Amino acid sequence: GQNIDQPTEMTATEGAIVQINCTYQTSGFNGLFWYQQHAGEAPTFLSYNVLDGLEEKGRFSSFLSRSKGYSYLLLKELQMKDSASYLCARKRNYGQNFVFGPGTRLSVLP
Amino acid sequence: DADVTQTPRNRITKTGKRIMLECSQTKGHDRMYWYRQDPGLGLRLIYYSFDVKDINKGEISDGYSVSRQAQAKFSLSLESAIPNQTALYFCATSTSSNVGQANTGELFFGEGSRLTVL
Repeated sequence: GQNIDQPTEMTATEGAIVQINCTYQTSGFNGLFWYQQHAGEAPTFLSYNVLDGLEEKGRFSSFLSRSKGYSYLLLKELQMKDSASYLCARKRNYGQNFVFGPGTRLSVLP
Repeated sequence: DADVTQTPRNRITKTGKRIMLECSQTKGHDRMYWYRQDPGLGLRLIYYSFDVKDINKGEISDGYSVSRQAQAKFSLSLESAIPNQTALYFCATSTSSNVGQANTGELFFGEGSRLTVL
């Protein structure tokens, strides 16, 4: 995925907190997106960071450090329905299009 | 009804056949994209279009062509399908408009078209 790295799989327990990391190539950066994709379904938008810091949206938060080429998605109070793949995507300045990481498959166990 | 509609949703075909996947949207977005998804490789960009007369190659355009027939329609063609084009294909849209509230420019995906080439 053009230098976007994410862990392949993660497992966590219902009610817990999980952090999914993403590292990306910093050149031509124009925003970092997180998407959720349930098996067999389309990806849906979760969050967007273009400046350094934390963006909070209910149980989900996303953090960005532009200088480090690093982002994470934090999921709190995990629910069974959070079992899905989480896709990190970088928007490029050149071409204004999106490059996706391979995705992290999260399994939430009871 | 879905805002981004893809047809067909599933297709099985044979090597060498011509296949067209169609995408239409009611979101009024100017930008449209075609991605393919393979296990372990994530979403890879095939082609994208920012306007009716604008067509751009993505990372993996070889073996594919596209047509932007109208702002709302963007079709993907495989002129002569081969087995390694077996994948899940997604159409997506986004808007460049900043009218009203802040626009993050995120992608809105269709439900996907699963293509199997035998």
